[in-house]
Amino acid sequence: GENVEQHPSTLSVQEGDSAVIKCTYSDSASNYFPWYKQELGKRPQLIIDIRSNVGEKKDQRIAVTLNKTAKHFSLHITETQPEDSAVYFCAPSGPLFGNEKLTFGTGTRLTIIP
Amino acid sequence: KAGVTQTPRYLIKTRGQQVTLSCSPISGHRSVSWYQQTPGQGLQFLFEYFSETQRNKGNFPGRFSGRQFSNSRSEMNVSTLELGDSALYLCASSLNGRGTDTQYFGPGTRLTVL
Repeated sequence: GENVEQHPSTLSVQEGDSAVIKCTYSDSASNYFPWYKQELGKRPQLIIDIRSNVGEKKDQRIAVTLNKTAKHFSLHITETQPEDSAVYFCAPSGPLFGNEKLTFGTGTRLTIIP
Repeated sequence: KAGVTQTPRYLIKTRGQQVTLSCSPISGHRSVSWYQQTPGQGLQFLFEYFSETQRNKGNFPGRFSGRQFSNSRSEMNVSTLELGDSALYLCASSLNGRGTDTQYFGPGTRLTVL
């Protein structure tokens, strides 16, 4: 199965600064790279995803970048706001993957300091 | 479309009892996965069902079991509860059971074992 690692496990940034979370995976066949956000007491929800035919995708203040050669992808949050405080999970997968093989990263707890 | 629902939302049981949790996926979704979430432990994969078949099971004891019905609703059962089973149990549904499908999570069932 896929080995997935996330770094850092916790991250604190001043409001307005940027945050970067990295996800490393092992299966070179992976071609789908999503990030999920889980706010305190709520369910995880997809916030952004990228497929392997592009290197970067942006949606307002969040972006995901992909380095297929090095087998990692990163979540970038700019101009952080208090509502960005949450746990973020990555879950890389590929065309031959079924949900039964889906592996979530261990999560990164992001805290925005006002 | 209605989102993924889980019942009950909260449950308090004592050691040795058994419990059944229910998950209703988004209409038309055929895959349901179950996860256990404890503080600092991320999303631990329990099992996944696709078209009433269990395709994979995580590293949990046989006390944890599940099933899926023809309408894609799923249940999980935990027998002989232990204190360590206290956790948030999340289910997630996806359309076609592929790893590249977006996972839609339910709100979770918080189980407390006394």
